[in-house]
Amino acid sequence: GESVGLHLPTLSVQEGDNSIINCAYSNSASDYFIWYKQESGKGPQFIIDIRSNMDKRQGQRVTVLLNKTVKHLSLQIAATQPGDSAVYFCAETGSGAGSYQLTFGKGTKLSVIP
Amino acid sequence: DAGVIQSPRHEVTEMGQEVTLRCKPISGHNSLFWYRQTMMRGLELLIYFNNNVPIDDSGMPEDRFSAKMPNASFSTLKIQPSEPRDSAVYFCASSQTGWGTEAFFGQGTRLTVV
Repeated sequence: GESVGLHLPTLSVQEGDNSIINCAYSNSASDYFIWYKQESGKGPQFIIDIRSNMDKRQGQRVTVLLNKTVKHLSLQIAATQPGDSAVYFCAETGSGAGSYQLTFGKGTKLSVIP
Repeated sequence: DAGVIQSPRHEVTEMGQEVTLRCKPISGHNSLFWYRQTMMRGLELLIYFNNNVPIDDSGMPEDRFSAKMPNASFSTLKIQPSEPRDSAVYFCASSQTGWGTEAFFGQGTRLTVV
C-alpha cells in the first residue's frame, strides 16, 4: 500500500491578526523566490515573488522578506481573512538557462479561525 | 481566458492500465510544464516543453511515463502501465516567458491507481 505521508506544518491564526509563514531554502545560487497559495482541490496560485537582489517586497496585504545570509524567506499576510486559509508553498529558481526549474518547499497549512 | 484546463479532474484506474492526462495551456503561452504532487515528495517537475519541444524530461520517473505536445494548445501525459505508486495529483502549468516563476497552474488531475 501507500506510505504514510508527511503531515504539513500548520499555522492557526485568528481572523484579523497578521500571519507569518516561514521557509528555509538550501541553494545559495537561487535567483528568484516565489510564494504560492494552494486551496483545496485547486492548483498553486502565484502570490508574490522577490529577486535575490532585494530583501523586501510588498503586495496587497502581503509582504515577502528575504534573508540571504541565513537562506530564509517569509511571507507576511496582514489582517488575515478566512479566504486566506490554504497551503502556502515557497519556491526557488535559478537564473539563466535553469530558470524554469522551480523547486518547491513542502508547504505550510494556514488555518484562519473566525 | 479560462486558464489552464486539465482533464479529467479525477481518474481511478486499475494497476496495469494505460492512463492519459490532458492539458490545454493558456492561449499564447509558449511554455508548458507537467508537475506531480504527493504528500511525501511535494511538487515535482516532470517535464518542460518550450514551443512544443520537450526541453527537460529529467523529472519523468521512468519509461512508463511519456508526454507529448503535438501543438501549442494541447499536451498529454501518459502512464503505461500504471502502478499504485503513481497515485498523485498531476498538474499542468503554462507560461508566457518560459520561466517557471510566471507559470499558471491548472486545477490538476487526481489519479488513483488501485
